[in-house]
Amino acid sequence: DQQVKQNSPSLSVQEGRISILNCDYTNSMFDYFLWYKKYPAEGPTFLISISSIKDKNEDGRFTVFLNKSAKHLSLHIVPSQPGDSAVYFCAAVGGMRTGGSEKLVFGKGTKLTVNP
Amino acid sequence: NAGVMQNPRHLVRRRGQEARLRCSPMKGHSHVYWYRQLPEEGLKFMVYLQKENIIDESGMPKERFSAEFPKEGPSILRIQQVVRGDSAAYFCASSLYSSNNEQFFGPGTRLTVL
Repeated sequence: DQQVKQNSPSLSVQEGRISILNCDYTNSMFDYFLWYKKYPAEGPTFLISISSIKDKNEDGRFTVFLNKSAKHLSLHIVPSQPGDSAVYFCAAVGGMRTGGSEKLVFGKGTKLTVNP
Repeated sequence: NAGVMQNPRHLVRRRGQEARLRCSPMKGHSHVYWYRQLPEEGLKFMVYLQKENIIDESGMPKERFSAEFPKEGPSILRIQQVVRGDSAAYFCASSLYSSNNEQFFGPGTRLTVL
């Protein structure tokens, strides 16, 4: 049972355009969401996060949107740059307040390619 | 401030041997997590430890796998009698606090079982 789903295994965009990576989740206990970026042969690098009490968080070129009613979040990268090419993982954490867990539950990732 | 360190980066074992993977968390971090990534998959949680305590091992296989985080020294993930299906990338992460805090990942150990 996959609780965090990234339905697009890959995405290709032109440099300068917007990249939109999507993520859906099924567990309503999740209350904190993170996006990680991963290059081959390296560990995931934290990008941006959002708490369930918010619907938007912005950090430079990266913005994460959360739609709790739809159990959907998205990562927007604008403008996209060739250096953004990597695999992006969406992850969720269950809230301790509701008996959840600290463990991150990851999606399978979306490979983003930004073409010059 | 060094990041999360893992060694070795690559480990080759034959079936039936033991594999030991080490993780040194970021300075000041006392929460350690181990994840496994199989080919074409996302990372799957294995175990969460604090110093000298296993907090959550719900993702650990029931047999052959064990983890520890002693008072002194790195966290160790130990796999006994490895099988080909254990071949994967094993990532360690650490965090400063336990709740809703970013986990910082190490570079991973790539285990290959021949």
